[in-house]
Amino acid sequence: DGGITQSPKYLFRKEGQNVTLSCEQNLNHDAMYWYRQDPGQGLRLIYYSQIVNDFQKGDIAEGYSVSREKKESFPLTVTSAQKNPTAFYLCASSMATSGSYEQYFGPGTRLTVT
Amino acid sequence: GQNIDQPTEMTATEGAIVQINCTYQTSGFNGLFWYQQHAGEAPTFLSYNVLDGLEEKGRFSSFLSRSKGYSYLLLKELQMKDSASYLCAVRNAGKSTFGDGTTLTVKP
Repeated sequence: DGGITQSPKYLFRKEGQNVTLSCEQNLNHDAMYWYRQDPGQGLRLIYYSQIVNDFQKGDIAEGYSVSREKKESFPLTVTSAQKNPTAFYLCASSMATSGSYEQYFGPGTRLTVT
Repeated sequence: GQNIDQPTEMTATEGAIVQINCTYQTSGFNGLFWYQQHAGEAPTFLSYNVLDGLEEKGRFSSFLSRSKGYSYLLLKELQMKDSASYLCAVRNAGKSTFGDGTTLTVKP
């Protein structure tokens, strides 16, 4: 079955630690995205990648880093520089960043930093 | 800049029709998407509009007016399972900007 997987579903970390969230897709999509969602709010774009070995900052990239070494994988690192990292993180992919191609979302990772 | 507005909450009765509005002010426009998100879950795609007019897909329809920066999602024959958050998203230059979502509660 094709889809997007994110792991783990719940993640707990101590303040000051970096943490990496996994995102894998087997849909053969070129574009991948990371969003953050806070309670009662919409999705805010952290980073996106249109092709392998290339990525662009979204609206709230500070304190985050990504890599896109393989088409299938787009891991997100939440660094200690991110001031308020506790949130629901969603990864998505689409065939392309233009046209009518919708985004397919993974199940999300709920990160709690204390 | 990008600004997308949706009502925060709406309530409707099972079997009825509800219209969820979305207004946007963006620096560019390459299409508008509607997604449904159940609590604690990932969003799923509902509809896409890039030209003015109405797109119908079963019980769901979506309308776009580019000159007015306005879209709506119309849900007919409401079912209890339609209780969810509905997100409007505008695509521009490869990025999608999302509204805060409208939480719809369907009551019996």
